Amino acid sequence: DIQMTQSPSTLSASVGDRVTITCRASLTISRWLAWYQQKPGKAPKLLIYKASSLESGVPSRFSGSGSGTEFTLTISSLQPDDFATYYCQQYHDYLYTFGQGTKLEIK
Amino acid sequence: EVQLVESGGGLIQPGGSLRLSCAASGFTVSSNYMSWVRQAPGKGLEWVSIIYTVGSTYYADSVKGRFTISRDNSKNTLYLQMNSPRGEDTAVYYCARTTGGLVDYWGQGTLVTVSS
Repeated sequence: DIQMTQSPSTLSASVGDRVTITCRASLTISRWLAWYQQKPGKAPKLLIYKASSLESGVPSRFSGSGSGTEFTLTISSLQPDDFATYYCQQYHDYLYTFGQGTKLEIK
Repeated sequence: EVQLVESGGGLIQPGGSLRLSCAASGFTVSSNYMSWVRQAPGKGLEWVSIIYTVGSTYYADSVKGRFTISRDNSKNTLYLQMNSPRGEDTAVYYCARTTGGLVDYWGQGTLVTVSS
């Protein structure tokens, strides 16, 4: 299975900050990477697919980049609604796998 | 409108069995890849199983040989048969429509607790 490793596990930031979350794959996955946002007690929500394509309805302050084994999710200016847990997911291999998650907390 | 509604969760004893159901509306289950994804309390997301349109299925190593994914096309419903569950199978189980490898729709989740 392809292992996905996110860093950091926890990130403390303030409204208005620019933040970046990194996701590394144990094998090359081209650009077959997605990012999801999850709030407590809710199902995850798709934000970005194919590494950098923004899902419809997702604010433009979210962006993704990367290819191969290293990827990033950037939020350009944090809003109060963005404090949540973020997961990357590879879909290169038919055994899809998620990263362990990054919890974005209010500083 | 696409909707996924899970049912069947609850308390189950180790070694027992339980079947989760996911009733879909707004689209055809058999024409889509469908998955089960779970989340243990306070933990991250884990892909459990997927069924493709042609009927082929895949499982995470952690459940292989114990869980079975299936669908009933006449009922437009997805299932997960859980046999010989263990404590580590305790989680919220989400039904997920999987389009091109992405989950574009999720159910609300159903909690399964494995305990004696």
